[in-house]
Amino acid sequence: EVQLVEFGGGLVKPGGSLRLSCATSGFTFSISTMNWVRQAPGKGLEWVSAITRSGDMYYADSVKGRFTISRDNANNSVLLQMNRLSAEDTAVYYCARSLSWGPDSWGQGTLVTVSS
Amino acid sequence: QSALTQPASVSGSPGQSITISCTGSDSDIGSFNLVSWYQQHPGKAPKVIIFEVRRRPSGVSNRFSGSMSGNTASLTISGLQPEDEANYFCCSYAGTYMWVFGGGTTLTVL
Repeated sequence: EVQLVEFGGGLVKPGGSLRLSCATSGFTFSISTMNWVRQAPGKGLEWVSAITRSGDMYYADSVKGRFTISRDNANNSVLLQMNRLSAEDTAVYYCARSLSWGPDSWGQGTLVTVSS
Repeated sequence: QSALTQPASVSGSPGQSITISCTGSDSDIGSFNLVSWYQQHPGKAPKVIIFEVRRRPSGVSNRFSGSMSGNTASLTISGLQPEDEANYFCCSYAGTYMWVFGGGTTLTVL
């Protein structure tokens, strides 16, 4: 069974940093493209970032230069380092595996709140 | 990276059919046959119900169907049931490993 579990959310002040992690199991992580997708309170889903099996990284314009995605194939996990956070980054952050057609498996999400 | 456009809400009575539209552009829906639909109940993770425009994952009811014309994809739910009440999101490939989502549609089963 494919499982993804996010960790690391919490309350952070504007301008601060936070690192999210996603532990996975039940599939061959090393060959999978992994994504972070977020959902602001009461809003729709927003793709944030992706990292391919070869380590190529892609970002939404809204986070480019502030967020960094990485992967740890030894521990089947994907990370998201978030810097210079603002209120607009407040959201539930989901980790999702994507297949050729799109994100297929999702974690339960972790809430990030940016507030003073 | 503009979001896809969905109606904010739709409603229907049990047994009826409803259709949710999802409008994109030549850069996403219009360029790729890679539209998927997700059902999300409050506080839960999204669950894929349609992928590649019209394909259903195993275990998903055949009451859910997808279609596409030009830059607009559609999700139809037939024989509405109370448990269908949820938020529905569309998603399209936008090139170079990027995905774009719709704003979501809240389905109310009256």
